[in-house]
Amino acid sequence: QVQLVESGGGVVQPGGSLRLSCAASGFTFNTYGLHWVRQLPGKGLEWVTVISPDGSVKSYADSVKDRFTISRDNSRDTLYLQMTTLRPEDTAVYYCARATSGSGWHKGGIVYYYYGMDVWGQGTMVTVSS
Amino acid sequence: DIQLTQSPSFLSASVGDRVTITCRASQAITNYLVWYQQKPGKAPTLLIFGASNLYSGVPSRFSGSGSGTEFTLTISSLQPEDFATYYCQQLESSPPWTFGQGTQVEIK
Repeated sequence: QVQLVESGGGVVQPGGSLRLSCAASGFTFNTYGLHWVRQLPGKGLEWVTVISPDGSVKSYADSVKDRFTISRDNSRDTLYLQMTTLRPEDTAVYYCARATSGSGWHKGGIVYYYYGMDVWGQGTMVTVSS
Repeated sequence: DIQLTQSPSFLSASVGDRVTITCRASQAITNYLVWYQQKPGKAPTLLIFGASNLYSGVPSRFSGSGSGTEFTLTISSLQPEDFATYYCQQLESSPPWTFGQGTQVEIK
């Protein structure tokens, strides 16, 4: 069945780094944009970043720009999130999610995924604490 | 960035009630708004896309409407499995694609 499974979460000190992975199965991985969304403890959802199906177009929230890097390996059907210079406010459950609209719409150097996210992983917890 | 404000933030209702949740945007958006449901300890699930299109497999008691700056999610007859938190998200603007703060629906 269509599935996304995150891994790589854990406890890291402020200023540290962590790499999350998201393994996909059950669909044609290289035809879908993929997002990372996070949820702070007891709080709402925050969109973090997205990558196009071929990995060439990426967008980031300002809160993580220049610290987080999204990437994908289409030969391994796996999505990644490299997180550096971590802060306590990055403490959250991190979800990977598939773009409902597949490859999206290219406009002005950005790929738009107008129809949200239809498949989500179970989430992986990242705790940034000394 | 486009801000989304959901109302109410908390709602207490009974099984069988009609429930309406509103999502207001800080500026007009076309119809690239979606709704998610999230149960405790679980990932969100997609309910509505394009403001009013029911996602595959979602019960027909859920519906979405609206345009411009005001959008609504309606549950026509609340069922026990519908007690959850609901989020809207806009995908109209250039990133970030913001979420509303959520509406928690609890049993009266």
